[in-house]
Amino acid sequence: GAVVSQHPSRVICKSGTSVKIECRSLDFQATTMFWYRQFPKQSLMLMATSNEGSKATYEQGVEKDKFLINHASLTLSTLTVTSAHPEDSSFYICSARDTPVPYEQYFGPGTRLTVT
Amino acid sequence: AQSVAQPEDQVNVAEGNPLTVKCTYSVSGNPYLFWYVQYPNRGLQFLLKYITGDNLVKGSYGFEAEFNKSQTSFHLKKPSALVSDSALYFCAVRAGNNRKLIWGLGTSLAVNP
Repeated sequence: GAVVSQHPSRVICKSGTSVKIECRSLDFQATTMFWYRQFPKQSLMLMATSNEGSKATYEQGVEKDKFLINHASLTLSTLTVTSAHPEDSSFYICSARDTPVPYEQYFGPGTRLTVT
Repeated sequence: AQSVAQPEDQVNVAEGNPLTVKCTYSVSGNPYLFWYVQYPNRGLQFLLKYITGDNLVKGSYGFEAEFNKSQTSFHLKKPSALVSDSALYFCAVRAGNNRKLIWGLGTSLAVNP
């Protein structure tokens, strides 16, 4: 089956610094990638959708200058949390899709970000 | 507005017993329905989907789900639960050509030995 990897799996950073999370589709070309945020015992919150080579589309309430998304190739998307604050601590999950709707998305294992 | 409801925060079942995790939805247009499972500190794994055709869909790990259009439901079932099935289960729906999945809040399944 399709595999999506994320790196790092866990990161701790100091308040005010930036951190980059990578999402890769290992055995398929991801025309669309999604970034989600998940709080403890809660559902997934879609942050943004990106198509390869295009600017990401951010969901309402998500600061695009804070959460920079780059989808430069069909196998790689990055999420950069800029000037991180403790409230940015969360579980970030990327997802990728290789075909148009309505087919399923494939999820990465997630990245646990802790901002101290 | 499109929505997905998982009415139970938690489901407890004894190992070997059948399990059901409920999901109802509200969308305009034809729904595309999905079930995902999440183990602790892990991403989501796809279990099964309903796009069209037979209302009973079989998926991974012995799970199945039945699409019921009149009741707008897509309950997840398994005839005989395993302790290893204990996890968080999410139902999701996409309507028509909308690119976004709408997620339920999740149901925590605990299978007791």
